[in-house]
Amino acid sequence: AQSVAQPEDQVNVAEGNPLTVKCTYSVSGNPYLFWYVQYPNRGLQFLLKYITGDNLVKGSYGFEAEFNKSQTSFHLKKPSALVSDSALYFCAVRDDGTGAGSYQLTFGKGTKLSVIP
Amino acid sequence: EPEVTQTPSHQVTQMGQEVILRCVPISNHLYFYWYRQILGQKVEFLVSFYNNEISEKSEIFDDQFSVERPDGSNFTLKIRSTKLEDSAMYFCALREALEPYNEQFFGPGTRLTVL
Repeated sequence: AQSVAQPEDQVNVAEGNPLTVKCTYSVSGNPYLFWYVQYPNRGLQFLLKYITGDNLVKGSYGFEAEFNKSQTSFHLKKPSALVSDSALYFCAVRDDGTGAGSYQLTFGKGTKLSVIP
Repeated sequence: EPEVTQTPSHQVTQMGQEVILRCVPISNHLYFYWYRQILGQKVEFLVSFYNNEISEKSEIFDDQFSVERPDGSNFTLKIRSTKLEDSAMYFCALREALEPYNEQFFGPGTRLTVL
C-alpha cells in the first residue's frame, strides 16, 4: 500500500520569502508524485508532477518540487511567496496499480500555507 | 486543462434520503473518479470508473453507493440512504488517457450536508 505524509499542518511565511511545503511518500515500485492546491470553497487544482527524469520539476504559478529518492521526499518550493499563494496544498502519490490500472491517487492530509503580507 | 463541472454545488438532505451527485466532463475522458473530503480531513478515494464499469473501489464505497454514466456524458454518484457521516465534499476527477502518469483533473466539488 502507498502512503503520503505531510508533517506540517500549517506553514507560515512572509511575502517575498522562499517557501517549502514538505511531503514524504511510501510506495512500492516507481513513485508518481503530484501536488495539488485547493483554494477556499474550490476544487483541487493540479500544480505539478514527477514521473521520471530531472529531479527538479517546475509547475504552475512559479512552483517547483524536488524529488529525492533516497529520502523518499517530494517537497514543494517557491523562491518568492505571494499572498495569493495562501491555500491548502496536497501531495499525492499515484497508486502503483493493483491490476485494474485505475491509478487512483492517495493524498496526504494537506498543509495550510499562509503568506503574511 | 480540461473543464469539469459538478452539480449541485451544495446539497442538503435528511438522513435516510437518496442523493445523486453529477459530474459533467467537457471533453472526452477515459477514467472517472469520485473522491470525498470530510471537513478538515484528507481527500479519500471512493471509486474509479472505466469503460462503463467500476474499475476499483475503496472500502468506503459500500452497498449504499453506486456510480453510473447513464447517457454517456454525465457521471453520477448515488448514495441510496444517506447517513450523517456522509457529510463531506465530493469531488469528481477525470483522467484523459491511458498513460498512468497523466494527472487527474478535479471538479469544484459538491458539498453534501446530511441532517
